Amino acid sequence: AQSVTQLGSHVSVSEGALVLLRCNYSSSVPPYLFWYVQYPNQGLQLLLKYTTGATLVKGINGFEAEFKKSETSFHLTKPSAHMSDAAEYFCAVSKGKAAGNKLTFGGGTRVLVKP
Amino acid sequence: DVKVTQSSRYLVKRTGEKVFLECVQDMDHENMFWYRQDPGLGLRLIYFSYDVKMKEKGDIPEGYSVSREKKERFSLILESASTNQTSMYLCASRLHRDFSYEQYFGPGTRLTVT
Repeated sequence: AQSVTQLGSHVSVSEGALVLLRCNYSSSVPPYLFWYVQYPNQGLQLLLKYTTGATLVKGINGFEAEFKKSETSFHLTKPSAHMSDAAEYFCAVSKGKAAGNKLTFGGGTRVLVKP
Repeated sequence: DVKVTQSSRYLVKRTGEKVFLECVQDMDHENMFWYRQDPGLGLRLIYFSYDVKMKEKGDIPEGYSVSREKKERFSLILESASTNQTSMYLCASRLHRDFSYEQYFGPGTRLTVT
């Protein structure tokens, strides 16, 4: 079974500082990788995804993530945090048809941005 | 834009009640999913449906059932609600031939069982 681990359930950053959210997965086949964001009282919104090709993926709102196969990681970064980045972030993995098109989610990381 | 809507944002039900959570998507997606979200556990898959009248159990189906009579609508049913089913419930859909496997989510229903 595949699993997704997000290191740190809560992260606090200062406005303007680097945001780094860690995601590691276990998978025996090349995965499809996603980061979703959930703002307070809302559903999940896709930030970015990796399917094939370039391993550095750019998403919305200045976020990017890099797929590192050797480290089985897909960490999310943003160079400069904004107050509006306060939300919960979820990493997710799909093995595609091999897993019935399902997504497996990490436990989530809640980001607090300090002024 | 894909739109996934859920019938209620907040629900309060009593133990033992039968509860229906409704999800509707407007983009002709074949696949639909129900998740529950609990702090520290992320999202866990309850049931999913590949297409009309098709359903498969996810990781935590106990205490739940589902219905998919029309393509756009996927219902989650709690036959006899219990306090441990207090949670946030999220519905999602995806296009079957979208090989990025991206799912589109509704706003969620926060269910409290007292």
